[in-house]
Amino acid sequence: GAVVSQHPSWVICKSGTSVKIECRSLDFQATTMFWYRQFPKQSLMLMATSNEGSKATYEQGVEKDKFLINHASLTLSTLTVTSAHPEDSSFYICSALAGGRTGELFFGEGSRLTVL
Amino acid sequence: RKEVEQDPGPFNVPEGATVAFNCTYSNSASQSFFWYRQDCRKEPKLLMSVYSSGNEDGRFTAQLNRASQYISLLIRDSKLSDSATYLCVVNAYNFNKFYFGSGTKLNVKP
Repeated sequence: GAVVSQHPSWVICKSGTSVKIECRSLDFQATTMFWYRQFPKQSLMLMATSNEGSKATYEQGVEKDKFLINHASLTLSTLTVTSAHPEDSSFYICSALAGGRTGELFFGEGSRLTVL
Repeated sequence: RKEVEQDPGPFNVPEGATVAFNCTYSNSASQSFFWYRQDCRKEPKLLMSVYSSGNEDGRFTAQLNRASQYISLLIRDSKLSDSATYLCVVNAYNFNKFYFGSGTKLNVKP
């Protein structure tokens, strides 16, 4: 099946620093990728929809200047958490939608961010 | 009202039991339906798509009821390894909009 790779799996950083998370589709071209955040014992919360070559669409309540998304190619989307704070600590997951498939999402392995 | 609603559970069942989950969706124009499984601290993984005619994959059976706007997942002969959170996912409005239920937690006990 299709594979989506996410990196890094774990990251610990100091408050105020920025962290970049990469999401790659390894064996297909993903015109659309999604970024989610998941807090413990809660469901996935969609943060933004990333479309190749255009600006991301952010969900209500998600600060676009804090969570920078870049989808420069058909196989790579990045999420940068700028000036991270402890409340940004969470599990961040990306998913990709392969063109031509009937709506199936392929998820990355997730990135666990801890901000000290 | 949430786009997709699920009973969070947990459902605690013994090995070998049959267990069923339901998930309701609010948008009648929803197009595609899926069940994903998520293990603790892992990413969701597709369990099965849900087709209009219903579909079965081994011990798992998925059903769609468009009139009542719900989908269901039936697990027969539960295994310990089935313990996980089951997420209902609905593709609504257009191809790029997916809505997730909050997940139903299943604990299968020896």
